[in-house]
Amino acid sequence: DAGVTQSPTHLIKTRGQQVTLRCSPKSGHDTVSWYQQALGQGPQFIFQYYEEEERQRGNFPDRFSGHQFPNYSSELNVNALLLGDSALYLCASSSRVSFSYEQFFGPGTRLTVL
Amino acid sequence: QKEVEQNSGPLSVPEGAIASLNCTYSDRGSQSFFWYRQYSGKSPELIMFIYSNGDKEDGRFTAQLNKASQYVSLLIRDSQPSDSATYLCAVNWGGNTPLVFGKGTRLSVIA
Repeated sequence: DAGVTQSPTHLIKTRGQQVTLRCSPKSGHDTVSWYQQALGQGPQFIFQYYEEEERQRGNFPDRFSGHQFPNYSSELNVNALLLGDSALYLCASSSRVSFSYEQFFGPGTRLTVL
Repeated sequence: QKEVEQNSGPLSVPEGAIASLNCTYSDRGSQSFFWYRQYSGKSPELIMFIYSNGDKEDGRFTAQLNKASQYVSLLIRDSQPSDSATYLCAVNWGGNTPLVFGKGTRLSVIA
C-alpha cells in the first residue's frame, strides 16, 4: 500500500520564477491538502482539494494555486516566487468517506528561493 | 484567529522516564485533536488522535483531552532516545477540515 508521495524532493529557484510541486495521495484517499512549513514553525494550511475543486483556502495570496486531477493527484503552483516562500511544502492525504478523517503527510518538497 | 499554543522546549527527559507534552487551543469549536511527531528534516508522522474528553492510550503513548480547559496533552511512557523529535499538536473542526498546528515542542531523551 503506497503512502503519500511528493516530487521533487528538493528544488532551488530564484526570485520571480514559478514552481510546480506534485503530490499523489495514499491509496483509497480522495482529498489532498497542502501546507507550508517554514523553519521552526508548524505547518500552515494553504488549500484543500477534492472532486477536482478547491474547497477550502488558508491565508495565502493568489500567487499560490493548485489543481487536482481525476486520479486524485494534485499540483501546487507558486508564481512570482519571493524569498519568503522558502519552506518545506507538505501534502496531506485523507478520505472524506473514512470515519476517522486522519490526514497523512507525504515526505515534503524543500523549496529554496535565492 | 484560531491558535494552538505549545511550549517550544527543549524538553529534556532521561531514558525510561515519562515525557509530558502540553498544548492549549483557542477555538472552543475545535472537534478533533492530533499529535504528530517530526524528526529533523522529515515530514510530520501521525502518532495519535482524540475526539472525546478523557484519555486514549496506544502503546507507550497516551493522549489526554479536556475540552472545558481547552487543553490536550501527550504522555510518552518509558521514553527512548528514538523518541527525540519535535511533537506537533494540531486541531480541526472535525471531518476533513484544515489542521491548525502549534509550533511544536522539541523533546530530547537523554540516554
